Amino acid sequence: GAVVSQHPSRVICKSGTSVKIECRSLDFQATTMFWYRQFPKQSLMLMATSNEGSKATYEQGVEKDKFLINHASLTLSTLTVTSAHPEDSSFYICSARVGTVHYEQYFGPGTRLTVT
Amino acid sequence: SQKIEQNSEALNIQEGKTATLTCNYTNYSPAYLQWYRQDPGRGPVFLLLIRENEKEKRKERLKVTFDTTLKQSLFHITASQPADSATYLCALEDGANNLFFGTGTRLTVIP
Repeated sequence: GAVVSQHPSRVICKSGTSVKIECRSLDFQATTMFWYRQFPKQSLMLMATSNEGSKATYEQGVEKDKFLINHASLTLSTLTVTSAHPEDSSFYICSARVGTVHYEQYFGPGTRLTVT
Repeated sequence: SQKIEQNSEALNIQEGKTATLTCNYTNYSPAYLQWYRQDPGRGPVFLLLIRENEKEKRKERLKVTFDTTLKQSLFHITASQPADSATYLCALEDGANNLFFGTGTRLTVIP
């Protein structure tokens, strides 16, 4: 089946620093990848949609200059949280869509970010 | 505004019973509705998709219904097992094919 990995699984960083999270589709090419954020005991909130080779589309209320998304290849998307603050601490999850079958999304295992 | 609500934050049931979870939505006209399972500290795992012209879909011990008039989907797990304990999320696509999730129901199956 389609497998999506994320790295790192956990990261702790100091306030003001930047951290990069990688999302890879391991056995398929993903034309579209999605980034979600999940706070404790809450559901997933879509942050942005990333298409290979083009700029990401951000949901309302998500700062594009703070959450930099790069989708450089059909198997890799990265999310960089710039100038992180404690309120950015959350569980970040990516997913990938297989080809043009728009309803099939496969999710990564998530990255737990803690900003101290 | 668009909303997806799962009316029980938590549900406890006895092993062997049928668990029924509810998903209600407003201001969506989805062509599909999906159900996912999420375990603590993990990403969601796709379970079932039901189309707007399908009333019911089954997969092993899982059954999903979809009533576009009521704007509601029901998710059933029959002969529940402790291993079914997890958070279950319903999800809808918007017009741009982006997926939006409900609030989730945390199911606990008691042995």
